[in-house]
Amino acid sequence: AQSVTQLGSHVSVSEGALVLLRCNYSSSVPPYLFWYVQYPNQGLQLLLKYTSAATLVKGINGFEAEFKKSETSFHLTKPSAHMSDAAEYFCAVSDRLTQGGSEKLVFGKGTKLTVNP
Amino acid sequence: ETGVTQTPRHLVMGMTNKKSLKCEQHLGHNAMYWYKQSAKKPLELMFVYSLEERVENNSVPSRFSPECPNSSHLFLHLHTLQPEDSALYLCASSQGIAAPYEQYFGPGTRLTVT
Repeated sequence: AQSVTQLGSHVSVSEGALVLLRCNYSSSVPPYLFWYVQYPNQGLQLLLKYTSAATLVKGINGFEAEFKKSETSFHLTKPSAHMSDAAEYFCAVSDRLTQGGSEKLVFGKGTKLTVNP
Repeated sequence: ETGVTQTPRHLVMGMTNKKSLKCEQHLGHNAMYWYKQSAKKPLELMFVYSLEERVENNSVPSRFSPECPNSSHLFLHLHTLQPEDSALYLCASSQGIAAPYEQYFGPGTRLTVT
C-alpha cells in the first residue's frame, strides 16, 4: 500500500521567508501526488497535484512542488511566506481501493505552518 | 450554494442519541466520500460512493451508517456513538473515483460525543 510521511508536524517561518514543507512517499507504482491546505474551520483545498507530466508543479497562491523519483519526495515550497499562508498542509498519494481497482487518497499527518510577522 | 456543503457545522450528541450528518455537492460529480479527521491522526477514509453505489467501507463500525440517495447527496447516520468518535467529519466529492481526479471538500461537521 502507498503511504506518505510529512517531516515536521509544525513549521514556523517569518513573513517573507522561504516556505519548505517536506513530503516523502512510498509507492510501488508511479504515483499521483497531491498537496492540500486546510485553513481553520474549513475543509481541505487542493493546492496542486502531480500526474506524471512535468516534475515541477505549480499550484495556487504561489506554491509549487517538485517530484523527485530518486528521493521519493514531493516537497512543497513558496519563495516568500505571507501571513495568509498560515494553515495546515497535507500531502497525499493515490492508492488503490480494495474493490474495482480504483483509487483513493492516502494522507500524511499534516504540517501546521505558522508565519511570524 | 456552490461547491460542497455540510450541515450541521457543529453537533453535540449523547451516546444514546441518533443523529444524521448531511452533505450536498453542487459540482455535478459522480463520487462522494466521508472522512474522519481526529487530532494528531491522518485523515481516515470511511466510505466511498460512486454513482450512488458504495465501493468502499473502510472497516468502519456499524454505529456509522452511510446513505447516498443520489449523486448529489450523502448522509452519515449516527447512533450509539462513543466519546472517541468525537472528530471533524469531512465530506468530499470528485468527478470519478479513478486518480488523478481531485477531491473537493466541504467545511466539515465538528462532532462532540458526550
